[in-house]
Amino acid sequence: DAGITQSPRHKVTETGTPVTLRCHQTENHRYMYWYRQDPGHGLRLIHYSYGVKDTDKGEVSDGYSVSRSKTEDFLLTLESATSSQTSVYFCAMGRTGELFFGEGSRLTVL
Amino acid sequence: TQLLEQSPQFLSIQEGENLTVYCNSSSVFSSLQWYRQEPGEGPVLLVTVVTGGEVKKLKRLTFQFGDARKDSSLHITAAQPGDTGLYLCAGSRTYSGAGSYQLTFGKGTKLSVIP
Repeated sequence: DAGITQSPRHKVTETGTPVTLRCHQTENHRYMYWYRQDPGHGLRLIHYSYGVKDTDKGEVSDGYSVSRSKTEDFLLTLESATSSQTSVYFCAMGRTGELFFGEGSRLTVL
Repeated sequence: TQLLEQSPQFLSIQEGENLTVYCNSSSVFSSLQWYRQEPGEGPVLLVTVVTGGEVKKLKRLTFQFGDARKDSSLHITAAQPGDTGLYLCAGSRTYSGAGSYQLTFGKGTKLSVIP
């Protein structure tokens, strides 16, 4: 039974539409993260959370927002998707570099 | 700015061969992690090294942290097809405050082990 799950796993959308990706964990971890993974760039941090309603920006936060109303859920929202946001998105939990990742959400923006 | 350089980017070897991949930086890290990622899945933590000069072994995998805590290597002995995957290193820096966080990933080494 996976301790961290993401939904949806695959999504195709059009430019300009809003998109929300959900991350759910059952480990009661305080820290959660959203990364994107792109060829040639590796894993880059978008936003992270260090508690309910406590979030902060990562290195590629422009165009993204997050919310954490419960310990177990961390949502990533693209208010108006662009083609440059086509990527694989990973949620993770943990601290001090020892992270547990979800299986990823592949997003295609046409 | 790419703070963690991994080399080689791609490596294709025959089953039974040995190999080493490297993770280098000009920055000092408080700890360094190695992850392995298989296609369609998220990265999975293999090991954490904390002390300069530290060596850790995980079956056929040997991880070493440089004395100055700026670099690391992963050596695989007698590689098997099951070792195929993307190997990522990640460096942590000491942070202050509840919200501060710095973890940097390298771009990875894609390993293919041919039966």
